[in-house]
Amino acid sequence: GEDVEQSLFLSVREGDSSVINCTYTDSSSTYLYWYKQEPGAGLQLLTYIFSNMDMKQDQRLTVLLNKKDKHLSLRIADTQTGDSAIYFCAERRASGGSYIPTFGRGTSLIVHP
Amino acid sequence: NAGVTQTPKFRILKIGQSMTLQCTQDMNHNYMYWYRQDPGMGLKLIYYSVGAGITDKGEVPNGYNVSRSTTEDFPLRLELAAPSQTSVYFCASSTSGGNEQFFGPGTRLTVL
Repeated sequence: GEDVEQSLFLSVREGDSSVINCTYTDSSSTYLYWYKQEPGAGLQLLTYIFSNMDMKQDQRLTVLLNKKDKHLSLRIADTQTGDSAIYFCAERRASGGSYIPTFGRGTSLIVHP
Repeated sequence: NAGVTQTPKFRILKIGQSMTLQCTQDMNHNYMYWYRQDPGMGLKLIYYSVGAGITDKGEVPNGYNVSRSTTEDFPLRLELAAPSQTSVYFCASSTSGGNEQFFGPGTRLTVL
């Protein structure tokens, strides 16, 4: 199938905002997710957004969804060194009668002092 | 709850050897998944299962086999290990398809 696209790297200074972008493929996706992977660990769900929403805010995290362009973004305000991780965008895609998440390649966020 | 557990954490195999990666979840989730993660390539789905007794191929199933005899366990079998199977393997589970996935800590496999 077609890929969920993300840029591979993002470097920001501590205290700045980070914006991680993603384009997805299935216009019928009902859920879109952001997962975080810290070094040496598995992925953990960070936040998600329903396709009938344009924006979702959760403390320092803001998710924006542009359904027309199939574009999803994750903004992290006041980025901290503890936010350094790989961030994966995922869409819920229909597959043989089931719904299976499809992941992007992940964006490595590097936060420097 | 322990969540999703995987064993072993690390393993080195010789070409042609076989092994089974174990995965267990204690959340009574119907869906379970196996992924491999290669640097810069994200997650590739190997196999998934929607319930006990039911498995289906993902994007990269060649060289692997799975079984799902119970809700809790979803082992991944490598029959004839090849260097191309060097990767980090993650098991995950969810209540149903597309819902939040819970991931295990991963198994780092090297085939020499």
